[in-house]
Amino acid sequence: NAGVMQNPRHLVRRRGQEARLRCSPMKGHSHVYWYRQLPEEGLKFMVYLQKENIIDESGMPKERFSAEFPKEGPSILRIQQVVRGDSAAYFCASSRDAQNTEAFFGQGTRLTVV
Amino acid sequence: GENVEQHPSTLSVQEGDSAVIKCTYSDSASNYFPWYKQELGKRPQLIIDIRSNVGEKKDQRIAVTLNKTAKHFSLHITETQPEDSAVYFCAAIATNTSGTYKYIFGTGTRLKVLA
Repeated sequence: NAGVMQNPRHLVRRRGQEARLRCSPMKGHSHVYWYRQLPEEGLKFMVYLQKENIIDESGMPKERFSAEFPKEGPSILRIQQVVRGDSAAYFCASSRDAQNTEAFFGQGTRLTVV
Repeated sequence: GENVEQHPSTLSVQEGDSAVIKCTYSDSASNYFPWYKQELGKRPQLIIDIRSNVGEKKDQRIAVTLNKTAKHFSLHITETQPEDSAVYFCAAIATNTSGTYKYIFGTGTRLKVLA
């Protein structure tokens, strides 16, 4: 079991470009969470997805950010028209179900907007 | 809405001393409370967790206590070592208005163990 895989590990984008962050959950896990972490700060919840469904996106900015978890393939966090303030580490985590089970984290994608 | 508060934000202890980190949560339906350790530049990793049907759990130098009435849970690290230096996050599973669950994390505690 390869664990939660995120790619790329590092992503540099110019202001106005699009950033696509990928997360492949652990085998057997159908629940994915995305978190954002600024330097020296905590893990801020963004979105919770199950296969083909967004369950809770209360932490997602209303504009420019979107997430999906298709039936086949990884979960994608998409940031359109990036700005410098989007620079952060983005972690995804997966769990087998949503209650009473451990969430495993990926290595994170460090997005730098220049 | 759901909230998990964590204190202190930074903690320095001498090697060999104990460290205690405390969290409080707001959702009375929360029933699973994991603790994660994040070393610099790395992913958060689970170090211990507790479910609401027990009040205490111990794993070698690490223990967690839970007081459901007061909505408090704490991490205790005894005989601290330099390699314990990291950021520690508590979390609680919270329910939203539609009845689904999500992990809510505390803001983290930066622990420094001084040799």
